[in-house]
Amino acid sequence: QKEVEQDPGPLSVPEGAIVSLNCTYSNSAFQYFMWYRQYSRKGPELLMYTYSSGNKEDGRFTAQVDKSSKYISLFIRDSQPSDSATYLCAIQQVGGADGLTFGKGTHLIIQP
Amino acid sequence: EAGVAQSPRYKIIEKRQSVAFWCNPISGHATLYWYQQILGQGPKLLIQFQNNGVVDDSQLPKDRFSAERLKGVDSTLKIQPAKLEDSAVYLCASSLGRRTPEAFFGQGTRLTVV
Repeated sequence: QKEVEQDPGPLSVPEGAIVSLNCTYSNSAFQYFMWYRQYSRKGPELLMYTYSSGNKEDGRFTAQVDKSSKYISLFIRDSQPSDSATYLCAIQQVGGADGLTFGKGTHLIIQP
Repeated sequence: EAGVAQSPRYKIIEKRQSVAFWCNPISGHATLYWYQQILGQGPKLLIQFQNNGVVDDSQLPKDRFSAERLKGVDSTLKIQPAKLEDSAVYLCASSLGRRTPEAFFGQGTRLTVV
């Protein structure tokens, strides 16, 4: 079982729709949960991160973590064509080997 | 604030040749990472430095890959000899320190081994 599972898509939705992106993880030691956005031929860009279970909102983006079920989500409201990109979930263990463990990424397409 | 700088942007080499990538992290960032991103996959950590010391290199194929961060600033990643399966984007990232979740990535070096 991979440490972080993420559906690669592609996920295609019309402009203005609410987008839901999800990941599951297997290691309970993970403590930081991040979402990165990666445009084609660019490096990943950090969108937001959270430390605990619950919701964190930043503009049109909401990150949700459920540690009991090892499930993390990113919601995008009022989606725009400029949101078309690959979204990577990443998880970090605090202490010890604390580099990021990434999912495969979900390729999102927002249709104008 | 300048971002993470990487060079070259693209490199094409033949198998069994050697190649080196360079990274200059954000000023003041003590932690530096090298990741390998194969097409269609998420980035995979190769090595993590804290200042000029190695924190984690458990996923670095040490028979052919090496990395250094002399003086705790710039870093180089070398592959010698390259294999076809090394074709990937090599990403450098930096953060203020360990346990600081905000890591900033460079644009990467796209390596093609033919």
